[in-house]
Amino acid sequence: AQKVTQAQTEISVVEKEDVTLDCVYETRDTTYYLFWYKQPPSGELVFLIRRNSFDEQNEISGRYSWNFQKSTSSFNFTITASQVVDSAVYFCAVTGANNLFFGTGTRLTVIP
Amino acid sequence: IAGITQAPTSQILAAGRRMTLRCTQDMRHNAMYWYRQDLGLGLRLIHYSNTAGTTGKGEVPDGYSVSRANTDDFPLTLASAVPSQTSVYFCASSRTGTGLTEAFFGQGTRLTVV
Repeated sequence: AQKVTQAQTEISVVEKEDVTLDCVYETRDTTYYLFWYKQPPSGELVFLIRRNSFDEQNEISGRYSWNFQKSTSSFNFTITASQVVDSAVYFCAVTGANNLFFGTGTRLTVIP
Repeated sequence: IAGITQAPTSQILAAGRRMTLRCTQDMRHNAMYWYRQDLGLGLRLIHYSNTAGTTGKGEVPDGYSVSRANTDDFPLTLASAVPSQTSVYFCASSRTGTGLTEAFFGQGTRLTVV
């Protein structure tokens, strides 16, 4: 069965520091998709990125970047020059069997 | 822009009572899902529907039922609520089955069963 491990339960950084959120997944599917979602204090879930298993190119979107390494089953998320508005819980997820399997989330606190 | 609307936003419910959480989407997405979010456990799938008229069980379906009479609506019913069903419930939709497009989430319903 699919499984996502986000080993970092909570991270605190000072504003403008870079921070990397780790995600390790397990799946037996040969084709799958990986996601990152952000859950700010207001509670909604905000889609950040989707990556398919055949595309291992790293992606950058503004201050956000993602590093997908199939060999280590990891899909890590880096925020460069963090800001207070980045404070949230971040979830990594992998697809499988009509489902998105979520990790338990990493709570990021950016201290001004 | 509405997207996915859930109602109610929050509810306190007496144990043993029946409750239906409503979910409506206006994006004409085929697939819809119900998740529950519990501290330390992340989000877990309760039920899903890949298209109107069909439903399926997720990871934690016991105590819940769903229906999908049309494309837009996907209500979740607790037939007889128990305290362990205290949670935040999220409805989601995607254009096709999971993995082909991103899933959009509603704002959540915070349910407390006492």
